[in-house]
Amino acid sequence: AAGVIQSPRHLIKEKRETATLKCYPIPRHDTVYWYQQGPGQDPQFLISFYEKMQSDKGSIPDRFSAQQFSDYHSELNMSSLELGDSALYFCASSYLILTSGDVIDSNTGELFFGEGSRLTVL
Amino acid sequence: GNSVTQMEGPVTLSEEAFLTINCTYTATGYPSLFWYVQYPGEGLQLLLKATKADDKGSNKGFEATYRKETTSFHLEKGSVQVSDSAVYFCALKYTGFQKLVFGTGTRLLVSP
Repeated sequence: AAGVIQSPRHLIKEKRETATLKCYPIPRHDTVYWYQQGPGQDPQFLISFYEKMQSDKGSIPDRFSAQQFSDYHSELNMSSLELGDSALYFCASSYLILTSGDVIDSNTGELFFGEGSRLTVL
Repeated sequence: GNSVTQMEGPVTLSEEAFLTINCTYTATGYPSLFWYVQYPGEGLQLLLKATKADDKGSNKGFEATYRKETTSFHLEKGSVQVSDSAVYFCALKYTGFQKLVFGTGTRLLVSP
């Protein structure tokens, strides 16, 4: 079965440079979540999108931005990179169903994660 | 706010030992509860889940029961293997747009 695809898998940048990470959700999934996992840390929620609109925002720095495109893939843009941005960045997808004005998960909340993109800032 | 608390690791066991990793949560309402596993150098994989009180999730010999009265979702396995060595994350999520909230993770080390 198709999974969540993230690219690149590894990325090395210098301080103050810019990086872009891409996420391709499972086909038919309309919701994308971005998480950042520092060394030895739990994943921290950054931002999410539903049907190309931002649905929630977490601890995403102002230097970062993200969007979801018409084909549902998402990109996380990181500018003015700092050493502390070195981390594993996960993308996850799910499929939400709109019913009678409410939105529910098709998989009772399960998120499907990609393998992650490891960013190293030197 | 919603949060998940896990026992600190690492948890070090010998092969075939019994495993318990404690997880408690703080939340309003009735979130779904999950255990995710992260093997070295890999991404997050769903291990098991439970969507309502008294549900038991199970997979690969692991089990966890959604206990509303104690707000817990402890992970258990009767006989661990070396290949179970990984970091285990307890997590909760409400339906809809709500994000998945992770605990801090518990590293399990199983020796032969």
